[in-house]
Amino acid sequence: EAGVAQSPRYKIIEKRQSVAFWCNPISGHATLYWYQQILGQGPKLLIQFQNNGVVDDSQLPKDRFSAERLKGVDSTLKIQPAKLEDSAVYLCASSLVQGGYEQYFGPGTRLTVT
Amino acid sequence: GENVEQHPSTLSVQEGDSAVIKCTYSDSASNYFPWYKQELGKRPQLIIDIRSNVGEKKDQRIAVTLNKTAKHFSLHITETQPEDSAVYFCAASSKTSYDKVIFGPGTSLSVIP
Repeated sequence: EAGVAQSPRYKIIEKRQSVAFWCNPISGHATLYWYQQILGQGPKLLIQFQNNGVVDDSQLPKDRFSAERLKGVDSTLKIQPAKLEDSAVYLCASSLVQGGYEQYFGPGTRLTVT
Repeated sequence: GENVEQHPSTLSVQEGDSAVIKCTYSDSASNYFPWYKQELGKRPQLIIDIRSNVGEKKDQRIAVTLNKTAKHFSLHITETQPEDSAVYFCAASSKTSYDKVIFGPGTSLSVIP
């Protein structure tokens, strides 16, 4: 089966600019996650979708980050405006359903904010 | 909310020796504990998981044990090989937190040939 797709793979922007990331989960997977992984740390959940509804976004900096999952399939994560501390790898993952099932991760987008 | 701690942060072993990574969690309602392996520059991949109704699970050279009373779980890798070198993340999730998966900070394992 095709894996989780993400684009772009790399992005370099200046602080205060905006950026958007795209994720296409595995077909049929109802749950989609966006994680932020800062170098040397574990993935930190930003937002979790069940179909096209938000299940948890408690750690999403809502003043600058937004995410949507249209029609319960693809998802986009946006940062506006970006800060230096946003430099990280942004990982998208999907699972068949939520609750005790394997998450399949995409290759990630490495964001560098200068 | 859930907090997952992991020790050690780095671990070096000789090829063929065993490696043990330990994790603790704070939410007593946590019921699912996956372990992910992340090679340098690659995506995390699930290597083994355990549910709260099981105390131990084994898959070839890897095993995971769970102590619900003490709220800790461990990953055991036997007969380590150079290709086991990677960062390992433990994680925990709880139905009381919408099955949100909280990852530990990771353990960088180096297997020396």
